[in-house]
Amino acid sequence: NAGVMQNPRHLVRRRGQEARLRCSPMKGHSHVYWYRQLPEEGLKFMVYLQKENIIDESGMPKERFSAEFPKEGPSILRIQQVVRGDSAAYFCASSPGIYSNQPQHFGDGTRLSIL
Amino acid sequence: SQELEQSPQSLIVQEGKNLTINCTSSKTLYGLYWYKQKYGEGLIFLMMLQKGGEEKSHEKITAKLDEKKQQSSLHITASQPSHAGIYLCGADLHMTTDSWGKFQFGAGTQVVVTP
Repeated sequence: NAGVMQNPRHLVRRRGQEARLRCSPMKGHSHVYWYRQLPEEGLKFMVYLQKENIIDESGMPKERFSAEFPKEGPSILRIQQVVRGDSAAYFCASSPGIYSNQPQHFGDGTRLSIL
Repeated sequence: SQELEQSPQSLIVQEGKNLTINCTSSKTLYGLYWYKQKYGEGLIFLMMLQKGGEEKSHEKITAKLDEKKQQSSLHITASQPSHAGIYLCGADLHMTTDSWGKFQFGAGTQVVVTP
């Protein structure tokens, strides 16, 4: 499967636990984007990463959320001490470059549920 | 506030009928992307428009970007059950090297196709 791979597809956590969401971009893509989709709301940009660099994290909550895209391995979105309000679908997208003529391709998302 | 406004929010169309979805921006669009999302799944890239006046078609779906590059429409001809889903427009609204890739999305238009 050459598409964007996200895992897990579904993740259940209790309040206060940590959630780790993984994203492997399409082959040949070095740019990764994370979005959050809340029920009844649209898709909101969170963070844009290249290998080992965070380019734009203006959509990330200031606390408890972090993202990385190491030289080797998938991109990770980490949420510490989860709260009920973190329940949402988290989507990862990737693209080959920074130019605006290249669409982002999306994974199937991780649905995070907080008990 | 939403920088990309989609209308209508939802629509129900009888199979075989045409439908149109609009996406309006308060800023110049440097790249406009149409995606389709089925419930519980990721976003599927449909089309990308960049130039004012540009029009693209794929099967029964046609998308246009107006001359001023502030509005796009998605038109489906002779709708089929497979066209049901949520259609989202996404755009690059910031023409700076630090913000490329930071997509804004409309809230989506839910399309239901009835027999």
